[in-house]
Amino acid sequence: KQEVTQIPAALSVPEGENLVLNCSFTDSAIYNLQWFRQDPGKGLTSLLLIQSSQREQTSGRLNASLDKSSGRSTLYIAASQPGDSATYLCAVDFLWGKLTFGQGTILTVHP
Amino acid sequence: EAGVAQSPRYKIIEKRQSVAFWCNPISGHATLYWYQQILGQGPKLLIQFQNNGVVDDSQLPKDRFSAERLKGVDSTLKIQPAKLEDSAVYLCASSLVSSGRRYEQYFGPGTRLTVT
Repeated sequence: KQEVTQIPAALSVPEGENLVLNCSFTDSAIYNLQWFRQDPGKGLTSLLLIQSSQREQTSGRLNASLDKSSGRSTLYIAASQPGDSATYLCAVDFLWGKLTFGQGTILTVHP
Repeated sequence: EAGVAQSPRYKIIEKRQSVAFWCNPISGHATLYWYQQILGQGPKLLIQFQNNGVVDDSQLPKDRFSAERLKGVDSTLKIQPAKLEDSAVYLCASSLVSSGRRYEQYFGPGTRLTVT
């Protein structure tokens, strides 16, 4: 069974810290991996998409890495801000665009 | 560029009633997805369309859920009759498609359904 797991389930950090969110998946045969952000009561906002042939993607203060052989991805957030507080979801495309999601990491950045 | 539109945003119904949700994807996106997100969990794919056709509906409870995509654009998801466990946020997403690449999925704001 293809599964996606995110650790930790929740994270609270002071403003300015660099942090890492972890995602692991059970099957290395993936098409791509996508990181999303979800604010309370809102839909999902795509942050980064990593194709299976890529090792990492960067956007502003965000950097996502992909290691297919070990079934892992990390989302690195530099210099965290209170506005980064949200739930972060990792999703893996194992087959034909069908995304399998992790349960998310709830991030709180306090001033 | 307009995003994925969904309506209604909120719906409260009693169990055994029926409900329908509507989605308008981003213009030009051939692939449309419906996901169910139960509180505290990640979204789960219910059905995937490519143009008018169904690509995957393996996790759609077909005894009570149905979905269609008319003319390869808008889509509706229906639940009849609703159960308490159907309380969730229903998310619609769309993406481009090509034979050799997967593109990002863009999500709408969702419809929050409460079944009492």
